[in-house]
Amino acid sequence: KNEVEQSPQNLTAQEGEFITINCSYSVGISALHWLQQHPGGGIVSLFMLSSGKKKHGRLIATINIQEKHSSLHITASHPRDSAVYICAVRFTLETSGSRLTFGEGTQLTVNP
Amino acid sequence: NAGVTQTPKFQVLKTGQSMTLQCAQDMNHEYMSWYRQDPGMGLRLIHYSVGAGITDQGEVPNGYNVSRSTTEDFPLRLLSAAPSQTSVYFCASSYGYSGNYGYTFGSGTRLTVV
Repeated sequence: KNEVEQSPQNLTAQEGEFITINCSYSVGISALHWLQQHPGGGIVSLFMLSSGKKKHGRLIATINIQEKHSSLHITASHPRDSAVYICAVRFTLETSGSRLTFGEGTQLTVNP
Repeated sequence: NAGVTQTPKFQVLKTGQSMTLQCAQDMNHEYMSWYRQDPGMGLRLIHYSVGAGITDQGEVPNGYNVSRSTTEDFPLRLLSAAPSQTSVYFCASSYGYSGNYGYTFGSGTRLTVV
C-alpha cells in the first residue's frame, strides 16, 4: 500500500527555535509537496520537490529520494508559523491522473 | 487573480437533501480536484478532472457527482446528503496533471449534514 507518514503529529516550540517536520513514504515518487493549513482552514502550497532542496524565506524543504524521506525546516520560528503542515506525494506508479496521497499533518504551535 | 474560488463557505443540510458545491479557477489550470478532510485522516480525493469534458473517480467517490463543462468550473454535487458526508471540502487546481506542478486550493466548505 502506498503510504505517507509524518512525524511528529504535534509539535510545540518556543519562538526562535529551529523546527523540523519529517515525512516518509513507502515507494517511489515523482513529486512531493509541502502544504500549510492555517487555523482558519485555508491550505497554501509551500513547496514542490522532486530532488534536492528548496528555500523560501525561513522555510527550507529537503528530500532524499534514496531514503524516501523529506524534511521541512523552519528557522527562527514565530507564533505566526503556527499551523498544520501537510506532506503530500505523487507516487510514480500512480495511474489515476494527478492523485496525491496526503499525510495526516503535523500540528505546530509556536509560543511567544 | 482570484485563484480558486469555492462557495459556499458553510452549509447545513438535512439528510436526503441535495446540493452543489461550486469551484471556479481563473488560472487556466488543466487539473481540478475535490478533496474531503476529516479529523485524524489526510485529505482524500473524491473526484478529479484532467480537462474540460473529462472526469474520473478518486478514492472516495460514492455519493458525489462531478462535471467539467468548462476549463474554469468544476462543481461537486451531493445527490442525497448523509451524515457521513459531514466534512470540510476543498477544491484544488494545478497547471498539469503529472503531480509535478504546485497546487492552488480553495478556501474550503464546511458541510454539516443533520
